[in-house]
Amino acid sequence: AQSVTQLDSHVSVSEGTPVLLRCNYSSSYSPSLFWYVQHPNKGLQLLLKYTSAATLVKGINGFEAEFKKSETSFHLTKPSAHMSDAAEYFCVVSENTGFQKLVFGTGTRLLVSP
Amino acid sequence: DGGITQSPKYLFRKEGQNVTLSCEQNLNHDAMYWYRQDPGQGLRLIYYSQIVNDFQKGDIAEGYSVSREKKESFPLTVTSAQKNPTAFYLCASSIVRFPGELFFGEGSRLTVL
Repeated sequence: AQSVTQLDSHVSVSEGTPVLLRCNYSSSYSPSLFWYVQHPNKGLQLLLKYTSAATLVKGINGFEAEFKKSETSFHLTKPSAHMSDAAEYFCVVSENTGFQKLVFGTGTRLLVSP
Repeated sequence: DGGITQSPKYLFRKEGQNVTLSCEQNLNHDAMYWYRQDPGQGLRLIYYSQIVNDFQKGDIAEGYSVSREKKESFPLTVTSAQKNPTAFYLCASSIVRFPGELFFGEGSRLTVL
């Protein structure tokens, strides 16, 4: 069975500094991986996805993530944080078999200070 | 604009009452999903449907029921059998071919008094 671990429940950065949100996954098969963002009391929005093509994936709002099979990681980064990036971020894994059920991480809350 | 509409946004229920959460989409997606979100636990799948008149249980289906009579609509009923129903409920949809690419509604927050 697949699983995903988000290594930090909270990350605090200053505006203009880099963002790193860490995610490790476990999967028996070739996985698809996703990052979603959720602003307070809102639904989730897809930021980016990895589906076995390029290992460096670019998403919306300047975010990107790198799939590293040897490290079973899929960390989310952004070179320069903006106040509007403050939100909760979820790493998600899906196995490319059958129904492709999604397994969500427990989330990382990103705090951005001026 | 295309999207998913959930209603009501906030709902209060007394113990022992059933409540129904509405989810409507105009994205022409075949697949629809209900997730439950609790603080610190991520999202857990309650039910999903890949086609009209068919649906499957997710990981935490006990105490919930759904129907899929129309492609656009996937209502969720929280029954009195659900022991801890206070939560944030999220409806989502996707193209069946890309089930990982979910489009979410804005959620319904249910509080049991």
